[in-house]
Amino acid sequence: NAGVTQTPKFRVLKTGQSMTLLCAQDMNHEYMYWYRQDPGMGLRLIHYSVGEGTTAKGEVPDGYNVSRLKKQNFLLGLESAAPSQTSVYFCASRPFFQLDNYGYTFGSGTRLTVV
Amino acid sequence: AQKVTQAQTEISVVEKEDVTLDCVYETRDTTYYLFWYKQPPSGELVFLIRRNSFDEQNEISGRYSWNFQKSTSSFNFTITASQVVDSAVYFCALSAGNTDKLIFGTGTRLQVFP
Repeated sequence: NAGVTQTPKFRVLKTGQSMTLLCAQDMNHEYMYWYRQDPGMGLRLIHYSVGEGTTAKGEVPDGYNVSRLKKQNFLLGLESAAPSQTSVYFCASRPFFQLDNYGYTFGSGTRLTVV
Repeated sequence: AQKVTQAQTEISVVEKEDVTLDCVYETRDTTYYLFWYKQPPSGELVFLIRRNSFDEQNEISGRYSWNFQKSTSSFNFTITASQVVDSAVYFCALSAGNTDKLIFGTGTRLQVFP
C-alpha cells in the first residue's frame, strides 16, 4: 500500500522551463490537493480537485495549472518556471467521507529549485 | 473565510520541560475538523490528531495532549516531558464545512535541547 506517491522528489529547473509534478494515490480517494511550503508561510493550497475531471483554485494558483484526468492521478504543471516557484510541493488526498479515518494522506514532497 | 493562527513562530525548551503550542482558528461553519501535524527535519508530514467540532473532549496520547475549546476557538497541543526527538515544526490545520479544503497555520518550530 503505497499511499500517496510524488514524482520526482527533487528537481532543478532553469527560469522559463516547464515541468509537471505527478501525484498518484492508490486509495481510491475522491479529493486531491497540491500545496506549496515556503519558510515561515506554512503550507498554502495551490489547486485541488474534488473528483475526476474537476479542478479548483486554492490560495496561490497563479503560475500553475492542474489536471485530474484519472481519479488516481493529480498533475501540477509549471508552464514557465520562475524563481518565486522555488519551494517544497506536497500532494495530499482524502476520501469523500472523513468521519472514520484520518482524513488526509500526504506525499513525501517534491523539492523544486528554479535558478 | 477560514483561518488558522499559530502565533508562536519558534519555541525552545530544555529536555523534560512541558511545552504548549497554541492554535487559534476562525470559521463560521458549525461542522469542521481540526488537525495537528508534525514535520520533523526529514520533511515529511506526520499526522498527530484529528478532532471534529462536535467532540470537545480533550485527548491524551502518551506525552501528547490536546485541549479543544470552542469558546475561545482554540486547539492547543501540549507535550509533557519533552524529548529531543520532539524537535520539529508543528502545524495546526482546519477543514471546515463543505469547502473541502485543509487550511494550515504557519507552523511553530519547536527545538528541544538536551
